[in-house]
Amino acid sequence: EDKVVQSPLSLVVHEGDTVTLNCSYEVTNFRSLLWYKQEKKAPTFLFMLTSSGIEKKSGRLSSILDKKELFSILNITATQTGDSAIYLCAVYSGGGADGLTFGKGTHLIIQP
Amino acid sequence: DAGITQSPRHKVTETGTPVTLRCHQTENHRYMYWYRQDPGHGLRLIHYSYGVKDTDKGEVSDGYSVSRSKTEDFLLTLESATSSQTSVYFCAISDQLAQDSQFFGPGTRLTVL
Repeated sequence: EDKVVQSPLSLVVHEGDTVTLNCSYEVTNFRSLLWYKQEKKAPTFLFMLTSSGIEKKSGRLSSILDKKELFSILNITATQTGDSAIYLCAVYSGGGADGLTFGKGTHLIIQP
Repeated sequence: DAGITQSPRHKVTETGTPVTLRCHQTENHRYMYWYRQDPGHGLRLIHYSYGVKDTDKGEVSDGYSVSRSKTEDFLLTLESATSSQTSVYFCAISDQLAQDSQFFGPGTRLTVL
């Protein structure tokens, strides 16, 4: 059974801090790892990673994948209150049921 | 944002009644998915579709059925709703060329009393 574990489950920091969110996985036939941001609505797509060691960046957010150690991190620098959300990590294995396997998410709260 | 709508957005129903949730897309994407999201469990796949009339079960399919008679519509039916099916239901779509990049609809909050 595919498994995705995120840590920490919740995190409270002050505006301007840098945060690192973790995602480890155990899946058969790994194809890709995805990060989503969820505010009080639908998850919105952030990044998709398929190759080890390549960093994806979008403004203050960046992510990297380690396929050897089976984990990914999501970094957010100079955090803002608008970064408060649940961050979801998901893995696509492409075999059997073709949906994504999600972790439980990290609830990030940015205090002013 | 991907053109995905879900209806209804909120529903309260009673145990034992049938319920149908609708997902409609305007992207002409081949793949459509139904997930449920519950505290402590995250998002879990219920059923998915890889084309018109082609569907398959996901991780938590018991008590649910689906149908896809047109590319743009994917229906999720609870034949006899139970309190354990109280949840937020999300539809997602993906293109054939990028099946792993799934985009989500706004969700339906279902309460079964």
